[in-house]
Amino acid sequence: DTGVSQDPRHKITKRGQNVTFRCDPISEHNRLYWYRQTLGQGPEFLTYFQNEAQLEKSRLLSDRFSAERPKGSFSTLEIQRTEQGDSAMYLCASGGTGAKEQYFGPGTRLTVT
Amino acid sequence: GENVEQHPSTLSVQEGDSAVIKCTYSDSASNYFPWYKQELGKGPQLIIDIRSNVGEKKDQRIAVTLNKTAKHFSLHITETQPEDSAVYFCAALKGHNTNAGKSTFGDGTTLTVKP
Repeated sequence: DTGVSQDPRHKITKRGQNVTFRCDPISEHNRLYWYRQTLGQGPEFLTYFQNEAQLEKSRLLSDRFSAERPKGSFSTLEIQRTEQGDSAMYLCASGGTGAKEQYFGPGTRLTVT
Repeated sequence: GENVEQHPSTLSVQEGDSAVIKCTYSDSASNYFPWYKQELGKGPQLIIDIRSNVGEKKDQRIAVTLNKTAKHFSLHITETQPEDSAVYFCAALKGHNTNAGKSTFGDGTTLTVKP
């Protein structure tokens, strides 16, 4: 069990560019979550997968955001036409079958200049 | 939707003292309440949790209590140590084990333990 991993850890991009983040959950965890965290705030839910099915999306997830989990293992989060307001820590968490616990990765810190 | 409020936002204690952080939630359907510790530059780490069918749970120096009627839950840390210094988040979640959905988080408490 190597824990949840995220790549990259840091990303600096210019406004208007597209970015993609990757999350590798704990092996065999069927649930995968994306959250966004800004300074001084708790994580805010973005979206949730059970296996490859995207079961819930937050209203925070505008049409510029898209997430996939094509084979029910790793997931990607893409932000198109980035804006300065997208600057935040993007956190991924995973959870096992029949359990409620969520285990977080180290996050990807996005800075939009 | 669910709303979680957390107090205090900052807490400073002397090493060896106890620390208490309190949270309230709004949705009576929430049935799982985890607590996370987040150190600078890291993701939140699950430290303890409690389910709605339990009133109290303890793990060494950490305990959590839940009052479903009042819709509040608390984290208690005894014999605090400098390494307990971090930001602590409470969260609330509803759903069954086979479909455990999103967590709603409080805004965090920055705990400082002075040596």
